[in-house]
Amino acid sequence: QSALTQPASVSGSPGQSITISCTGTSSDVGYYNYVSWYQQHPGKAPKLMIFDVTNRPSGVSNRFSGSKSGNTASLTISGLQAEDEADYYCSSYTSGSTTYVFGTGTKVTVL
Amino acid sequence: QVQLVESGGGVVQPGRSLRLSCAASGFTFSSSGMHWVRQAPGKGLEWVAIVSHDGTNKYYADSVKGRFTIARDNSKNTVYLQMNSLRAEDSALYYCAKGFGTSYSDWGPGTLVTVSS
Repeated sequence: QSALTQPASVSGSPGQSITISCTGTSSDVGYYNYVSWYQQHPGKAPKLMIFDVTNRPSGVSNRFSGSKSGNTASLTISGLQAEDEADYYCSSYTSGSTTYVFGTGTKVTVL
Repeated sequence: QVQLVESGGGVVQPGRSLRLSCAASGFTFSSSGMHWVRQAPGKGLEWVAIVSHDGTNKYYADSVKGRFTIARDNSKNTVYLQMNSLRAEDSALYYCAKGFGTSYSDWGPGTLVTVSS
């Protein structure tokens, strides 16, 4: 089971919107609405930002939103802020031999 | 509030064993599936294993299948990861995470495992 594919890095200026893609296959992202997204600041544990493709946990800013089309899921951060600078990972349930799979990770830089 | 605290990490020689523990509090432990996720230094996240809320169902990543065993003790609010036949590539920070559907809602700070001779 290969990792889901994410761009290595994405950058934007404060106030702008950015989108991070997460590409899988018809066995994971394309089949299940079970994509989640995590934010990880350096030296810290990951934090759940989006679950089940589009849902935000309580306490997560509504500047974060998720979507999916075919085998690709996306995380959009609107009104980019300095505190959004972090690594972001997607994850999906999969019917493959490994039950869960993470994305390769994306470093978000706020210019 | 949910609290997860991992322990048991350390330096171990290749081929040896190690058992990690994760003590949970702040939620109904016996109602939640629990995961182990690892992160090699400077690398991305890798899912390792999950145990169902009652311990009856367990699933593993291909990379650890047959070597690692996940278990839980609901009377002690603790989940374990028994790691045998350790390899250099198992060196990582190991997180335990609370399952929330098919996502991971809460994470511990992690415990570091280094496999080296």
